[in-house]
Parts: sequence; C-alpha cells; structure tokens
Amino acid sequence: GAVVSQHPSWVICKSGTSVKIECRSLDFQATTMFWYRQFPKQSLMLMATSNEGSKATYEQGVEKDKFLINHASLTLSTLTVTSAHPEDSSFYICSAREPTRLDYEQYFGPGTRLTVT
Amino acid sequence: AQSVTQLDSQVPVFEEAPVELRCNYSSSVSVYLFWYVQYPNQGLQLLLKYLSGSTLVKGINGFEAEFNKSQTSFHLRKPSVHISDTAEYFCAVSEGGQGFSFIFGKGTRLLVKP
Repeated sequence: GAVVSQHPSWVICKSGTSVKIECRSLDFQATTMFWYRQFPKQSLMLMATSNEGSKATYEQGVEKDKFLINHASLTLSTLTVTSAHPEDSSFYICSAREPTRLDYEQYFGPGTRLTVT
Repeated sequence: AQSVTQLDSQVPVFEEAPVELRCNYSSSVSVYLFWYVQYPNQGLQLLLKYLSGSTLVKGINGFEAEFNKSQTSFHLRKPSVHISDTAEYFCAVSEGGQGFSFIFGKGTRLLVKP
C-alpha cells in the first residue's frame, strides 16, 4: 500500500518550452502532496506544499509563476515548469501524505529527471 | 527554525563491518525523525522513523537508530553491512503541524567495499 507514481520518469525538453510532471497516489487519497527538487549529489529541497482544492504554498525563493502546481484531485498533483531553462534541469521528486494514518510519514514517488537543452 | 545536520558526506566501510551514520537536529519543539535511503535515480524509501515511545527504533534491512533527546541526535546503525547497502542516506525531521513538511539533511553516501 501507499504507492506514489510519477510520470514521466525522465524528460528532455528545449529551452523555452513547458514541461508537466504528474504525481499520483495509487492506492490512497492524498490531501497533501509535496514537491522537492534535488540537484546532483545534494539533498532534497522542498519547493512547495500542495493541498487538494487550494493554492499551493511555495517555499521562499521558489518562483510560483515558473513552477505551477495544481492539486485538482485527491490522487493527482501536477508540477509544470514553464519556460524551462537549462538551470531548471534537476531531479524532481514528489511525496504524499495519507491523512488517515497518524504516522506522519511521506510516501515518495520515484522521481522525474528533467534535462533542459 | 528546525535544521538537520549530517556531518559525514561519505562513509566508506568494508563489507560485513558495522556502520554508524550520524544525524543531529535542532528544533524548539518536539519532532518526528526519519531515515530514508535513496538508490541512484530513484525516489526515497523509508528505513525507519521515530514518533514517540522507545528511543531505539528498528527498521528494514537490519538498520536501527536511537533517538537521543539530550544530544538532539538520531544516528543510524547497522551491525554488518552488505554491498547492496551502498546508497545515499537522508535524515529528515518534521515538527508536525499543518502540512507536516520535512526538512532533510544533506545526505550521507554509504560506500560498502568488498
């Protein structure tokens, strides 16, 4: 149980285009999802917290107009990188919480590697 | 504000030897503590967590960790490592509250040598 998937697993796009990454909770309803960014050999940096049916809460320094987050259902959150540039190349990981469980655990997706050329 | 420190960026160890990966945190309130493992190009897998109760927590793959409130530490240990344990290990802390967001340490790469 508590499986989170991401799609695509990797994507290459040209500079200036937009890319959408999907995060799905497969066997539970996730009222809260998180988006992280991970640079090579570095830790995960929280980008934003996404709550179903409301606007995402972005961490300081994260451009909300560049990284559009939508959490339209209890099983799906999307991250759209708009007008991507090479510096946006990174590993993006989402996680989800199952609100009925009191273990405070986050379940992580397998990640999406974005390369902007 | 909470923070997590993993002092060792890399820990080399020979197969079947014991290992300890260190994690210290700072927080003004009670915290929940987690250790995750990440294999190359993959997401994170939970090894173990401390929420409350017994300070010695046992996890998967033979790992365990001990919560020490006075030293604000949550070090990860394994008595005998395998080649397959080579991976990146992250310590994370959450203060709970709205959103239950995590703060991650910078990670420690465990390199098990034959």
